[in-house]
Parts: sequence; structure tokens; C-alpha cells
Amino acid sequence: NAGVTQTPKFQVLKTGQSMTLQCAQDMNHEYMSWYRQDPGMGLRLIHYSVGAGITDQGEVPNGYNVSRSTTEDFPLRLLSAAPSQTSVYFCASSYGLAPDTQYFGPGTRLTVL
Amino acid sequence: AQRVTQPEKLLSVFKGAPVELKCNYSYSGSPELFWYVQYSRQRLQLLLRHISRESIKGFTADLNKGETSFHLKKPFAQEEDSAMYYCALGSSNTGKLIFGQGTTLQVKP
Repeated sequence: NAGVTQTPKFQVLKTGQSMTLQCAQDMNHEYMSWYRQDPGMGLRLIHYSVGAGITDQGEVPNGYNVSRSTTEDFPLRLLSAAPSQTSVYFCASSYGLAPDTQYFGPGTRLTVL
Repeated sequence: AQRVTQPEKLLSVFKGAPVELKCNYSYSGSPELFWYVQYSRQRLQLLLRHISRESIKGFTADLNKGETSFHLKKPFAQEEDSAMYYCALGSSNTGKLIFGQGTTLQVKP
């Protein structure tokens, strides 16, 4: 099993550009989520999904869109990148709802100029 | 609302000294508390959860509902314990897992 994979590992964008961060898991997990990690702020929940076709907002959803068309994939879209979105992004998955053990991806380091 | 507070950004101790990383939470329902750890160049991973009441790598944490705390403790720190530690609060009612700000533990030789 590859576990949770994320692509790309690094990305540099210009303000206003859009892009999609990819996340996939091969563990047949129902629950998937996206976090951003910023110094002094810890991990903040952006969006999460409790199953295919179901998504919900986390703590900091503005500027991001998600969809969950399959159990395996949970892409995160930046609609119009801003410097405030410079961060490290982590995808996580678990078999059950959030109290279940989360498995994290390796992260994507995004810089917006 | 779910909220987790880790008051210390950095905790620096010498090898062999006791360690306590603080975590306080706010949640009106029945909380599930976790500690996650991120070693250098590794993925974030689960260290322990309160319902299992295990000791992992010598670390323990007790849920104190009266003080709404879930502090992580280890009697004798080792250099390999140096890492970023996150306290997290989950709820099956909300479906969310909320993390604290994180504490960097630095164990000096």
C-alpha cells in the first residue's frame, strides 16, 4: 500500500493563478481532510469529507474548493492564489470519522509570490 | 466550538529530564483527544490517544475533564524525542479533528 500520496511536493505560483493539489489514498478510507500548516498556527482544517460526494468546511475554507467524486481522491483547488496561501498543505485520511486514527500524506509546500 | 490550545511553542530540556507538554481543550460534548508527532523529515503520525490509555515510547497522557487538559508526559527525555508535537481534539458528532498550535520539543545532550 502506498498509503496517502500527495502531488506535487513543491509548487511556486504567482498571485492570481489557480492550481489543484492532488491527494489519493489506497486504504479504502471514508474520511479525508486537508490541513494547512503555518508557523505558530499549527495545523488548521481547510475542508473535509466523510465519504464520496460529501464535503464540508473546516476552520479556514475561504479561497479553497474541494470535491470527492471517488473514495480514493480528494483534490484541493486554489481558485485564485494569494500570498496568504503560502503554506505547507497536508492531506489525511482515516477509516472512520475524525476520532479515528489519521494517516497523513507527506505534504505539499506551496509558495505564492 | 472545538478548540485546542498548546501554550508553549518551544520546550527545551536536557536528556534525562522529565518532559510535560501542555494541552488544553474546549468542547462541550464528549471529546476524543490525541497526540500526534512529526519527526524531522517524516510524516505526521499518531503518538497516542486517550481512550487507549497506552504508553508509547515512554509517553503517557491523561485526560482531565475537570481541567479540560490532556498533557503529554515522559519521565526521562531522550534525544530522539526531539520533534514537533500536536495535540488534537476529535468529535464523531462534528466529524472534525482540530489541532493545536504545536510544541517543538528540543532535547539537548
